[in-house]
Amino acid sequence: GAVVSQHPSRVICKSGTSVKIECRSLDFQATTMFWYRQFPKQSLMLMATSNEGSKATYEQGVEKDKFLINHASLTLSTLTVTSAHPEDSSFYICSAEQVRSYNEQFFGPGTRLTVL
Amino acid sequence: AQSVAQPEDQVKVAEGNPLTVKCTYSVSGNPYLFWYVQYPNRGLQFLLKYITGDNLVKGSYGFEAEFNKSQTSFHLKKPSALVSDSALYFCAVSPTDSWGKFQFGAGTQVVVTP
Repeated sequence: GAVVSQHPSRVICKSGTSVKIECRSLDFQATTMFWYRQFPKQSLMLMATSNEGSKATYEQGVEKDKFLINHASLTLSTLTVTSAHPEDSSFYICSAEQVRSYNEQFFGPGTRLTVL
Repeated sequence: AQSVAQPEDQVKVAEGNPLTVKCTYSVSGNPYLFWYVQYPNRGLQFLLKYITGDNLVKGSYGFEAEFNKSQTSFHLKKPSALVSDSALYFCAVSPTDSWGKFQFGAGTQVVVTP
């Protein structure tokens, strides 16, 4: 089955630093990947849509200069949280859309970001 | 406005009893419908989806869901719940005019007691 990995699974950083999170589709090509953010005991909120070879599309209210997304290949998308602050602490989940799968998305295991 | 509603924050059942998790939606067109399950500090695991065809969809781990177009509902069911089914369940909708942009319900915490 389609597998999506995320690295790191957990990261703790100091306020003001930048953190990069990787999302990889391991056994399929994903022209589109999605980044979600989940607060404790809440639902997933779509942050942005990442398309290979083009600029990401951000949802309303998401700062594109704060959350940099790069989709450099058909199997890798990265989310960089720049100048992180404690309010950026959250669970970040990526998903990858498999072509011709009726929009079925395969989700990564998530990355727990804690900003001190 | 498009929305997905999971009216119950928590559903609690005893092991062996039937389990139902409710989901209703308000989305234009004929959306694709999904159920996912999330265990603590983990990503989402796919359970089942409705695209078209038979209104009763069978999925992973003995779960099934019934699509009801007139009631715009897609309730998740399991005839006999297990303690290991205790987790957070999300209903998701993918509008046909917004490919891949899932809208998730708020989630329902399922607690299955021994």
